[in-house]
Amino acid sequence: AQSVTQLGSHVSVSEGALVLLRCNYSSSVPPYLFWYVQYPNQGLQLLLKYTSAATLVKGINGFEAEFKKSETSFHLTKPSAHMSDAAEYFCAVSVKGGADGLTFGKGTHLIIQP
Amino acid sequence: KAGVTQTPRYLIKTRGQQVTLSCSPISGHRSVSWYQQTPGQGLQFLFEYFSETQRNKGNFPGRFSGRQFSNSRSEMNVSTLELGDSALYLCASSFDISDTQYFGPGTRLTVL
Repeated sequence: AQSVTQLGSHVSVSEGALVLLRCNYSSSVPPYLFWYVQYPNQGLQLLLKYTSAATLVKGINGFEAEFKKSETSFHLTKPSAHMSDAAEYFCAVSVKGGADGLTFGKGTHLIIQP
Repeated sequence: KAGVTQTPRYLIKTRGQQVTLSCSPISGHRSVSWYQQTPGQGLQFLFEYFSETQRNKGNFPGRFSGRQFSNSRSEMNVSTLELGDSALYLCASSFDISDTQYFGPGTRLTVL
């Protein structure tokens, strides 16, 4: 079985500052890892996906994440926060690529201070 | 290309009733998954269908069921509704099991 832990249910950063959202996973087999974003009253939008092709994954809207096997981590970063980045962010893991059922973390609410 | 659509967007039911939610996947996608999102439990996987067959199932009681039609559209049904079934139900589609899943906007179910 796999699991995901997101450290910090709320993260607050100033506009223009670095965004760092933490995600640690547990999986008995090489995992597929994902970051999704959810805006109020909307579904989930995929930011990026790790499939073992490269440890540094670049996503949409300037986000990227680095897979570190030794630390079982897949932290999400963005060099400069924008007000439009305020949303709920979910890290997720699967065994076969996603449609086998994603296991999500509890989510991190990102707050952007002007 | 049109995204994943879910109907209805909002639904209010009373305890003991049953409900059917509908999901139309992105054109060409054959896999449809369902998730339940609640403040307490977060996002939880319900089940996944591919070519009208349930391939994967999460840990939910038998009151939760689904089906997929030959055009890949999917429905999920919840019978004998309980207050705890109040949630946002999300549908996601992908071409196949290892491909990216795209989520719909969800159906907000309120059970009174």
